[in-house]
Amino acid sequence: AQTVTQSQPEMSVQEAETVTLSCTYDTSESDYYLFWYKQPPSRQMILVIRQEAYKQQNATENRFSVNFQKAAKSFSLKISDSQLGDAAMYFCAYRRFSGTYKYIFGTGTRLKVLA
Amino acid sequence: GAGVSQSPSNKVTEKGKDVELRCDPISGHTALYWYRQSLGQGLEFLIYFQGNSAPDKSGLPSDRFSAERTGGSVSTLTIQRTQQEDSAVYLCASSFGNSYEQYFGPGTRLTVT
Repeated sequence: AQTVTQSQPEMSVQEAETVTLSCTYDTSESDYYLFWYKQPPSRQMILVIRQEAYKQQNATENRFSVNFQKAAKSFSLKISDSQLGDAAMYFCAYRRFSGTYKYIFGTGTRLKVLA
Repeated sequence: GAGVSQSPSNKVTEKGKDVELRCDPISGHTALYWYRQSLGQGLEFLIYFQGNSAPDKSGLPSDRFSAERTGGSVSTLTIQRTQQEDSAVYLCASSFGNSYEQYFGPGTRLTVT
């Protein structure tokens, strides 16, 4: 069975600094998607970034980028130039490329941004 | 256009009562997911509907939980004989076909007293 592990329950970062959130996963599949979702206090989950496992190039979305290490089954999120609005829970998630479309989520990392 | 909506936003119920939680997905989205988020926990998959296919119910924690999706649109999650451990935020998400991108609703916070 697939699992997703986020070992950092909470992280803090100074405004304008860079922070990296860690995620590891376990799967026997070769094709899959990995995601980072943001959940602010409003509870609305927002997709931050996704990575297709078959792509070697790391995904980037503005200030957000990932370090995808397929062999190590590691998928970390880097937030550059942190802003107060980045404060939220961040969840790492996995989904198979085909077949069942069940998503597996990690337990989340709470990010605090310090002014 | 309108996003995924859920009702009620908050629900307080007494232990042993039945509750119904509603999800209105984005129009045209064929896939619908229910998740449970307990305090300090990640999202726990409950059930997945895709078009007219049989739903994937593998995440339902007990037979007190059931879900329906009528006309391929609105879905209702029913919890019978609620227990205190059912207290959580219940999130619904929808997507178009097998697209990877889920759109989430704001959730229903269920409190069982």
